[in-house]
Parts: sequence; C-alpha cells; structure tokens
Amino acid sequence: GNSVTQMEGPVTLSEEAFLTINCTYTATGYPSLFWYVQYPGEGLQLLLKATKADDKGSNKGFEATYRKETTSFHLEKGSVQVSDSAVYFCALRDGGSQGNLIFGKGTKLSVKP
Amino acid sequence: DVKVTQSSRYLVKRTGEKVFLECVQDMDHENMFWYRQDPGLGLRLIYFSYDVKMKEKGDIPEGYSVSREKKERFSLILESASTNQTSMYLCASSVVNTGELFFGEGSRLTVL
Repeated sequence: GNSVTQMEGPVTLSEEAFLTINCTYTATGYPSLFWYVQYPGEGLQLLLKATKADDKGSNKGFEATYRKETTSFHLEKGSVQVSDSAVYFCALRDGGSQGNLIFGKGTKLSVKP
Repeated sequence: DVKVTQSSRYLVKRTGEKVFLECVQDMDHENMFWYRQDPGLGLRLIYFSYDVKMKEKGDIPEGYSVSREKKERFSLILESASTNQTSMYLCASSVVNTGELFFGEGSRLTVL
C-alpha cells in the first residue's frame, strides 16, 4: 500500500543554518505530495505542495521538488529562523482517493538562536 | 479566515465513559476527517466523511464511531473510552479531491 517515510528527529539547528528534511514515498500511480507544518499548540497547516513530477512547491522560504525517479520530496530551507521551530509532516494523496492523505510520522525541528 | 473548530481542547474522562468530540467547519467543505496523533506514530486516520450521512473507515476505526448529520459538523464518538484511547484528536476538512486539509487545533483526551 501507499506509505510515506520521513527522517526521524528531532533535528536541532542554529539560526541561519541550512535545513533538509528527507521524505520518500511508496505509491501506485501519480500521487500529489504535501508538506504540512504544526507549530506548538496548533493544528497542522499546509506549507507547500506539488502535484506532478518535477514540480517545485515553495512557501515561506521552504522548497520541495517532486522527484519521481527517486520517489522523494525533500523539504529544504536555506536559512532557518527560530520561528521555524515546529513539527513537519510529509504526506501524499493517491489520485484515486476522496482527498484523504497518508502522513509520515513527523520530524520535530528546533532552531536555537 | 477559514476555520475548523473543535469543541474541547482538553478532556479528562474515566474508563468506560462515552465521549463526544465535536468539530465544526465554516468553509462549506464536502470532506471531513478525524485523525489521532501519537508520538512516534504520526497521524492515523480514524474515519472520514465525504458527504452528509456518509462515512468511511480509516486505518484505525476500532472503538470509534462518527456522525455527520449536517455538512458543517462531524462528531467522533468513543462508545466506551479506554486508556489506550488517550491521545490528541485532530479534525480536518477539505474540498473534495484537493488534498489541502484545514485542521482544527486538536482535542487532547486523557482517559483514566
């Protein structure tokens, strides 16, 4: 079945460091891929998405490229801030589903000043 | 601002009690979802609904039921709460076939 695997955390970085959170997926067909972010005490919110191979999603300085050949959707940011401290979830939606997403287990990021 | 509202942020219940978790969305979305979130396990889908009075089981429906009598409201019911249902419960809604889910802030349930 479909699944998402993302790197385990927690990840601790200093402010202005480069961030990569790895995400790989297993799916039949051509899924859409998403990154969601959960700030402390809040629900999840969509960070970025990509719907087909080679698409790049971007938002708030974060980027991720849909790589079909490596079945990956790694999240990157060139210079993290303390306010980026949160839990990040990679997710996929099978094209045939009603809109349900399959989530990875989440990666907690802590950014120190 | 679009909004998904969960009725209770924190609940403490006793084993065997019946528990209702309510969720309301104001975006006229067709789809609504209930997930539970546990450390190290991520989000797991309990039930979802794609229309009024329609429901589909997710990955972990055992011990739960749901009700959707109106489009904007989706309720999660624990008929007889058990300690292994202590968790964070997240409600979400979406337009059909978009994959963009809007989440509530969560309801943290503790079953003693």
